[in-house]
Amino acid sequence: EAQVTQNPRYLITVTGKKLTVTCSQNMNHEYMSWYRQDPGLGLRQIYYSMNVEVTDKGDVPEGYKVSRKEKRNFPLILESPSPNQTSLYFCASGEPGTWDNEQFFGPGTRLTVL
Amino acid sequence: QQQVKQSPQSLIVQKGGISIINCAYENTAFDYFPWYQQFPGKGPALLIAIRPDVSEKKEGRFTISFNKSAKQFSLHIMDSQPGDSATYFCAASMNDYKLSFGAGTTVTVRA
Repeated sequence: EAQVTQNPRYLITVTGKKLTVTCSQNMNHEYMSWYRQDPGLGLRQIYYSMNVEVTDKGDVPEGYKVSRKEKRNFPLILESPSPNQTSLYFCASGEPGTWDNEQFFGPGTRLTVL
Repeated sequence: QQQVKQSPQSLIVQKGGISIINCAYENTAFDYFPWYQQFPGKGPALLIAIRPDVSEKKEGRFTISFNKSAKQFSLHIMDSQPGDSATYFCAASMNDYKLSFGAGTTVTVRA
């Protein structure tokens, strides 16, 4: 089944404790991206990657890191999480150049930073 | 600063009625306008999309109307059904594949 998977789905942590949220896609997509979803703000892009070893900042990159060493994986790293990073996070993948530019989203990771 | 402004924040419609969600943008470089549908506990999924060379696109009960001069676009859900109850996000993109989303509209269809 074609899909984007994220782990963990739920995470409660404390301020300053480094964490990684994994994202993997099995559709051989070039493009991958991370978003955070907050009430009243919609989805805001954190980082995106147009290809392996190529990453770029989205609209809200502060406090986050990413890496794209393999085509299928795009982990999101929070080196020192803070309570304002409590949010619902989505990973997405897609194939540039198609007419509908569809992005396929994972099921989400709900992060709480205490 | 949100590049795409979406309204209303929520709406309630009776089964069989019409749901209308509006979005406005400022950046005239945007050339792709998708709508995503999100059910509770799930990730968003592409519902329908339009490019500025057409003023309307219809897929089943869902229609996008696009007004380039007004920099506005809207989603119409005809004959709304309880299964359409979800959050809908409009978005816009330039050719670098970077999507800017609206704040979302929660649609509730009452049976």
